[in-house]
Amino acid sequence: EAQVTQNPRYLITVTGKKLTVTCSQNMNHEYMSWYRQDPGLGLRQIYYSMNVEVTDKGDVPEGYKVSRKEKRNFPLILESPSPNQTSLYFCASSSGQGGFRNEQFFGPGTRLTVL
Amino acid sequence: AQKITQTQPGMFVQEKEAVTLDCTYDTSDPSYGLFWYKQPSSGEMIFLIYQGSYDQQNATEGRYSLNFQKARKSANLVISASQLGDSAMYFCAMREGHTGNQFYFGTGTSLTVIP
Repeated sequence: EAQVTQNPRYLITVTGKKLTVTCSQNMNHEYMSWYRQDPGLGLRQIYYSMNVEVTDKGDVPEGYKVSRKEKRNFPLILESPSPNQTSLYFCASSSGQGGFRNEQFFGPGTRLTVL
Repeated sequence: AQKITQTQPGMFVQEKEAVTLDCTYDTSDPSYGLFWYKQPSSGEMIFLIYQGSYDQQNATEGRYSLNFQKARKSANLVISASQLGDSAMYFCAMREGHTGNQFYFGTGTSLTVIP
């Protein structure tokens, strides 16, 4: 089954404790991206990657890191989480073929709470 | 300036009636793509419909159609014959051609279908 998986689905942590949210897709997609969703703000793009070893900042990259060492994986790293990073996080992927008309496929989301 | 504006935080529609969800966008790029996504209460993001800036006809996908008015920079989603299962958050999104990589989402519209 074609899908984007994220782990963990739920995470409660404390300020300053480094964490990683994993994202993996099995569709051989070139493009992958991370978003955070907050009430009243919609989805905001954190980072995206057009291919292996290529990453770029989205609208809200502060406090986050990413890496793309393999095509299928795109982990999101919070080196020192703070309470304002409490949010619902989505990973998404899309094909790089055919230009920008390709829709994104989203993972199930990770609900992160930073105390 | 907001790239995507959805001015209706909440909408109600009677079952079997049609409803229009508004979306306006801001770009100076002649090449762009517009997307609508549905997010039910379960949280997943579901792609509904796509409209390209050079597409001559309005996009349609089953009961979903996109009322694309390029000069007004609007891309309203029309849902015909509403069903109870249409109750969800709806997000409008744009991908610009000159970057092709960054996605912009609106703040969403919560649709409730009344029996």
